[in-house]
Amino acid sequence: AQSVAQPEDQVNVAEGNPLTVKCTYSVSGNPYLFWYVQYPNRGLQFLLKYITGDNLVKGSYGFEAEFNKSQTSFHLKKPSALVSDSALYFCAVRERNTGFQKLVFGTGTRLLVSP
Amino acid sequence: DTGVSQNPRHKITKRGQNVTFRCDPISEHNRLYWYRQTLGQGPEFLTYFQNEAQLEKSRLLSDRFSAERPKGSFSTLEIQRTEQGDSAMYLCASSLVQGSSETQYFGPGTRLLVL
Repeated sequence: AQSVAQPEDQVNVAEGNPLTVKCTYSVSGNPYLFWYVQYPNRGLQFLLKYITGDNLVKGSYGFEAEFNKSQTSFHLKKPSALVSDSALYFCAVRERNTGFQKLVFGTGTRLLVSP
Repeated sequence: DTGVSQNPRHKITKRGQNVTFRCDPISEHNRLYWYRQTLGQGPEFLTYFQNEAQLEKSRLLSDRFSAERPKGSFSTLEIQRTEQGDSAMYLCASSLVQGSSETQYFGPGTRLLVL
């Protein structure tokens, strides 16, 4: 069964500092991996995805994520955090070639960027 | 560019009543998904449609839940005889399947409170 772990409930970072939000996954085959962001009382907004190829994926708003197959990780990163990046971040996985189309999400990590 | 829309945004109902939610996907997207999100959790898959065909249903989708997508465009999710445990955010997502690459785009959600 697919699963996603986001080990940190909250990440605190000062504006201008780099940020990392951690994600590890478990699938029986090769994964598609996604990051979404959720602002209060809003739906999920797509940030980026890993399909194949380059392990470093660049996405919206300066975010990027690194796929590490040996560590089964897909950590979200940004070189310089903004206060407006404060939100809830979800990592999600979908298995390839299984016929299952659903996304399986982690429990989310709250990012708090202080001025 | 119109995204996924959902109506109503909020619904308060009494236990035992029926409720219906509507989702309008991004135009020409052929897949439509329903997820449920409770406080402190990531979204959980409920069901999805490819065009008008409902192809997968989660075990979370009890017989009190029914979803339709009659013309392959908008979708409705009905909950009969609501229970307090049905209180959650109901999220709709749509996607356009092109080869193996698919990104699900989410609507703002319908927040249900069952009293």
